[in-house]
Amino acid sequence: GGIITQTPKFLIGQEGQKLTLKCQQNFNHDTMYWYRQDSGKGLRLIYYSITENDLQKGDLSEGYDASREKKSSFSLTVTSAQKNEMAVFLCASSIARGNSDYTFGSGTRLLVI
Amino acid sequence: GDQVEQSPSALSLHEGTGSALRCNFTTTMRAVQWFQQNSRGSLINLFYLASGTKENGRLKSTFNSKESYSTLHIRDAQLEDSGTYFCAAGNNNNAPRFGAGTKLSVKP
Repeated sequence: GGIITQTPKFLIGQEGQKLTLKCQQNFNHDTMYWYRQDSGKGLRLIYYSITENDLQKGDLSEGYDASREKKSSFSLTVTSAQKNEMAVFLCASSIARGNSDYTFGSGTRLLVI
Repeated sequence: GDQVEQSPSALSLHEGTGSALRCNFTTTMRAVQWFQQNSRGSLINLFYLASGTKENGRLKSTFNSKESYSTLHIRDAQLEDSGTYFCAAGNNNNAPRFGAGTKLSVKP
């Protein structure tokens, strides 16, 4: 079976800092996603990518950049961390966009001090 | 507005009882997926449906694309079923969107 690996598991940043989160999958899936989850809330889509070098904005793309350098990896950058921000960033992958079974990584927990 | 409306937002069950969670969709979806998020935050894949009904142990899920809804039935609830349940649905033109979740508490 395959696996999705997110790094780092925990990330502490400072206000204004640029922070990068990484995600790798070995399912050979075409589509990868980044979601943000705030405490006690649902998941909101930040960016997704349907193939290498493709990028599609989600509902929460402002304040973030993303990069699909190769099929197996999808990175997310917080362009300027906001003070007291605390959230979990979840990466997922699927065979295709929209109507395919997909699998999540275990998340990166961000705290900005 | 939100494309995926999930209800109820919270649910309390006694062990051995059951109930249903529901997601309504404001646009045509091609498939739905149900997840359980445990206390550690991990998302566990419960069901993926493009149509019809699937059953796994004490859980059963139905997806009706024409009437734009999906349900997740839990029967004989156990303590370990506690957690937050999410549905996610998408179509060929859009990435899946999540409901706001149902926080389930199972009590002895």
